[in-house]
Amino acid sequence: QKEVEQDPGPLSVPEGAIVSLNCTYSNSAFQYFMWYRQYSRKGPELLMYTYSSGNKEDGRFTAQVDKSSKYISLFIRDSQPSDSATYLCAMSSNTGNQFYFGTGTSLTVIP
Amino acid sequence: ETGVTQTPRHLVMGMTNKKSLKCEQHLGHNAMYWYKQSAKKPLELMFVYSLEERVENNSVPSRFSPECPNSSHLFLHLHTLQPEDSALYLCASSPGQLNQPQHFGDGTRLSIL
Repeated sequence: QKEVEQDPGPLSVPEGAIVSLNCTYSNSAFQYFMWYRQYSRKGPELLMYTYSSGNKEDGRFTAQVDKSSKYISLFIRDSQPSDSATYLCAMSSNTGNQFYFGTGTSLTVIP
Repeated sequence: ETGVTQTPRHLVMGMTNKKSLKCEQHLGHNAMYWYKQSAKKPLELMFVYSLEERVENNSVPSRFSPECPNSSHLFLHLHTLQPEDSALYLCASSPGQLNQPQHFGDGTRLSIL
């Protein structure tokens, strides 16, 4: 079983839609969770960094962690064409010295 | 310059060539990383350096050889590569090693002929 599962998509939504991106994981020791955005021909860019369960909001982006279900989400409100990218989730445990990444979800926001 | 800079951006090499990838970070971080990114696969951690000492080597073939002369610079020396080594090679840095958010460069797109 993979450490982190992420639906690769592709996901296509109209401009202004609410987007939900998700990852599931198997290791109950994971405590640190990150979301990255990667544009074509660029490196991953850190969007959100959270610890343990709960929600964190930053502008149009909300990260949600449900440790009981081993499930994390990234919500994008009022999606824009500039949000078109691949979104990667990553996670690590308290004692872990590396982050485990999902395969990424490709998102296209259509004007 | 700011952030994490990688050179070259693109590299095409034959299987018998020797080349090096370079990474430089301007963030004052103490840990640096090499990752391999292939299509439809998760990022694969290759090497981790903390304060210029290698702390992680995830069973990477010896044809990949890292070098970290100081906390701002990281190299990946390549020799006798295979076609399956064609991928995007990403460098990242973080303030410390454990559970710190990592900041990535834009990668070197490597093609092995």
